Amino acid sequence: DAKTTQPPSMDCAEGRAANLPCNHSTISGNEYVYWYRQIHSQGPQYIIHGLKNNETNEMASLIITEDRKSSTLILPHATLRDTAVYYCIVRVADKTSGSRLTFGEGTQLTVNP
Amino acid sequence: DGGITQSPKYLFRKEGQNVTLSCEQNLNHDAMYWYRQDPGQGLRLIYYSQIVNDFQKGDIAEGYSVSREKKESFPLTVTSAQKNPTAFYLCASSTRPISSGQQFFGPGTRLTVL
Repeated sequence: DAKTTQPPSMDCAEGRAANLPCNHSTISGNEYVYWYRQIHSQGPQYIIHGLKNNETNEMASLIITEDRKSSTLILPHATLRDTAVYYCIVRVADKTSGSRLTFGEGTQLTVNP
Repeated sequence: DGGITQSPKYLFRKEGQNVTLSCEQNLNHDAMYWYRQDPGQGLRLIYYSQIVNDFQKGDIAEGYSVSREKKESFPLTVTSAQKNPTAFYLCASSTRPISSGQQFFGPGTRLTVL
């Protein structure tokens, strides 16, 4: 699976959009981009995933560049409860790996009042 | 409520003792996973199972063992051979379709070996 690079920490004001970048310059054509988050001392929570098109759900939007070498997770109106570590994961789907995920160190997002 | 339960939340053991961590899910998921997390680090895969009676080693399987006798249960044993067992342990499950990377995580067990 391709490696990802994320900034170690970011800050955001409550109510503003939080834009979390991820670099995955070695991504292959069959690799998906997944985002998870982990609130302190809890299990990670799935947010969103995509292959090459932009995606949106009730939690966030995922913007993937045309060359697929980077992506941005957007939380449109950040709240204090969005303070967490956000993980960007690149994963290939095949029969041997199944749903294996490789977590890096992620980005600590702190939403300030 | 459907979900994944892990018990206990906190566990203390003396060095040299084996300890078994429980993970149960009622989501009817075929695949289950165990991860380890150290302070300030990401998650590392210990073992995973895609179907009952089958499991594969992850990236850091040494010193750990698992079983998958029932679809709902995937217990992890931390043996005395694990050199640094103190960590936060997370269990997860997912449906089988290989295109799905959506895993559901339990609340975790924090193991401290004294």
